[in-house]
Amino acid sequence: DTGVSQDPRHKITKRGQNVTFRCDPISEHNRLYWYRQTLGQGPEFLTYFQNEAQLEKSRLLSDRFSAERPKGSFSTLEIQRTEQGDSAMYLCASSLASTSNTEAFFGQGTRLTVV
Amino acid sequence: GENVEQHPSTLSVQEGDSAVIKCTYSDSASNYFPWYKQELGKGPQLIIDIRSNVGEKKDQRIAVTLNKTAKHFSLHITETQPEDSAVYFCAEPSGGGADGLTFGKGTHLIIQP
Repeated sequence: DTGVSQDPRHKITKRGQNVTFRCDPISEHNRLYWYRQTLGQGPEFLTYFQNEAQLEKSRLLSDRFSAERPKGSFSTLEIQRTEQGDSAMYLCASSLASTSNTEAFFGQGTRLTVV
Repeated sequence: GENVEQHPSTLSVQEGDSAVIKCTYSDSASNYFPWYKQELGKGPQLIIDIRSNVGEKKDQRIAVTLNKTAKHFSLHITETQPEDSAVYFCAEPSGGGADGLTFGKGTHLIIQP
């Protein structure tokens, strides 16, 4: 395990369908983050976990979005009733942190296209 | 912080010349400033970071400088090479108890051969 792994790399779905993405962080990392990135913009923070606890959610994370990290290792991000505005790159990052603001390493992302 | 301004949005330099990208942040309590490089179709890659207790940090051809009084920090790339072509993002901690990062809008760096 040399980095953060995300699956799938690409997902095309019809509007109204549910989708789920998976992130496997660097194995010893206790913090895991989800970001969304649209074309021409920087990543936008969605939520993060410390071990299995979800500690912060951005106001960008609508009720249709839910994230889990049940065993403190991999995480899933589910989007229900997808909308065209959900089309974006969804990025996962992880860090090993005993205090805030330590290096976060990103995966390659999952590109979602809602048609 | 909730707002990081990054300039320029596009920067074209001749191979071998230097490139400088600047960011301004709003939260005076911010104490960690990373820079990421993102190539097409890939996730952002951390290339260098600086903490507020130092004013400059270097790693080979890359350096970052921090001016806490003016609340800005800059990425310097010397002796640019074609593989430096990418989009570069600065970031600062989101703050307010959040442990995420707030990113700038990015700078598309183009290295002209």
